[in-house]
Amino acid sequence: GEDVEQSLFLSVREGDSSVINCTYTDSSSTYLYWYKQEPGAGLQLLTYIFSNMDMKQDQRLTVLLNKKDKHLSLRIADTQTGDSAIYFCASAAGDTGRRALTFGSGTRLQVQP
Amino acid sequence: DTAVSQTPKYLVTQMGNDKSIKCEQNLGHDTMYWYKQDSKKFLKIMFSYNNKELIINETVPNRFSPKSPDKAHLNLHINSLELGDSAVYFCASSPGVAGGVAKNIQYFGAGTRLSVL
Repeated sequence: GEDVEQSLFLSVREGDSSVINCTYTDSSSTYLYWYKQEPGAGLQLLTYIFSNMDMKQDQRLTVLLNKKDKHLSLRIADTQTGDSAIYFCASAAGDTGRRALTFGSGTRLQVQP
Repeated sequence: DTAVSQTPKYLVTQMGNDKSIKCEQNLGHDTMYWYKQDSKKFLKIMFSYNNKELIINETVPNRFSPKSPDKAHLNLHINSLELGDSAVYFCASSPGVAGGVAKNIQYFGAGTRLSVL
C-alpha cells in the first residue's frame, strides 16, 4: 500500500524559513495535503496541491511537488512561534472524492524565539 | 457553527465498557471518515461512509462498529473496550463526487481523546 514518510523533527529560529519534506510511494496520488496539529487540537488543513501542479503559494506557505521523485515540501516563510506544531503530509490516490488519506508520521516544528 | 463536530471531546472509561462517539458535519458533504491517532501521533483510517453506505472498512476489530443514520452523521460504537483502544479518534468529511475539484479535501473534527483504564 501507500507509504508516506517525513522527518520527525525540525527546529528553526523565529523569522527564518522552515522547510518540511515528505516523500510518498504511490505514483497515482492525485491529491497531496499539508495539515497542522497544535498540542491537544484537531487537524487543520493548511494547503493542498493537485498532482498536475508543481508549485502552489498561499501567503507565507509555498508547496513544491516533484512528481518524478515523489517528493513534496512545505516552506513556511518568516516562521513565527505560533507556527510551532506537528505538520502532517498526506496523500490520496484516485479522483473519486471518496478516498481515505494516508498520513506521514508528522514533523514536529519547534520555533525558537 | 463548527463544520465537523465530535462529542465527547474527552472520554475516560474502564476496560470492558461499551462507549459511543458521535460526529456531525454541517458542510453538506457526502463522505465521512473515522481515523485513529495513536500515542506516537500515527494517523490511520478506520472507516468511511458515502451517503450512508460503508465504503472503507480497514482491518479493525469487530468491537468497532460505525453507524451512519444520515449523510451528516457518522457515529462510532466500541464494545468491550481494551487498553489498546486508548487513542484520539478523529472524524472527517469530504464533499465527494459532487464537490468538483474539491471533492477529496477532508476537513477534520477536533478529536475525541479516549482513555481506557
